[in-house]
Amino acid sequence: AQKITQTQPGMFVQEKEAVTLDCTYDTSDQSYGLFWYKQPSSGEMIFLIYQGSYDEQNATEGRYSLNFQKARKSANLVISASQLGDSAMYFCAMRDAGLNTGNQFYFGTGTSLTVIP
Amino acid sequence: DGGITQSPKYLFRKEGQNVTLSCEQNLNHDAMYWYRQDPGQGLRLIYYSQIVNDFQKGDIAEGYSVSREKKESFPLTVTSAQKNPTAFYLCASKNFAAGAYEQYFGPGTRLTVT
Repeated sequence: AQKITQTQPGMFVQEKEAVTLDCTYDTSDQSYGLFWYKQPSSGEMIFLIYQGSYDEQNATEGRYSLNFQKARKSANLVISASQLGDSAMYFCAMRDAGLNTGNQFYFGTGTSLTVIP
Repeated sequence: DGGITQSPKYLFRKEGQNVTLSCEQNLNHDAMYWYRQDPGQGLRLIYYSQIVNDFQKGDIAEGYSVSREKKESFPLTVTSAQKNPTAFYLCASKNFAAGAYEQYFGPGTRLTVT
């Protein structure tokens, strides 16, 4: 079963505007972690933000914030004041809490974000 | 500087040949992972290792093999049994210490088999 779902294959945003990238997840664990990574065209995976399942407040890191709605099992990424350098693929991921699975990460299929000048 | 190195960046092989992709980390991380990424797709786990001399299969281990003889090294061999080996391969590592959440990734190796 798909553990992470990203339903937006591609998104466009005007420079300096905010954009929300959607992510829903599926788990029966009580303890888990949610992540967003950015992948520029060079291919490297850049960690952006983390949300623990027990964290009561939404995570924020500079222009990135994670809109965590536990009951809906969603973990949307909000990028404020978009910049041209934000154009990249964005992946949502969930860390499995099981000790027997090596903290395995499950990745979504990604959203390609293009920032328009 | 601490980090993960993968070499080479681009690798070309003929069909039927085994090829080994290198992954080295100097972060003193316990766990290491290999992922495969196909165009327009997310990352799929091939193998992971939580400790030296131990590793487990991920979701798509068939046609691949790994070893973990040293904490800092986790090479991946793509064997001739792998039906569609052309892909982008990413190595990652993670610390199991409290408060360490994310996986750190190397720059990746793009393998082309013809």
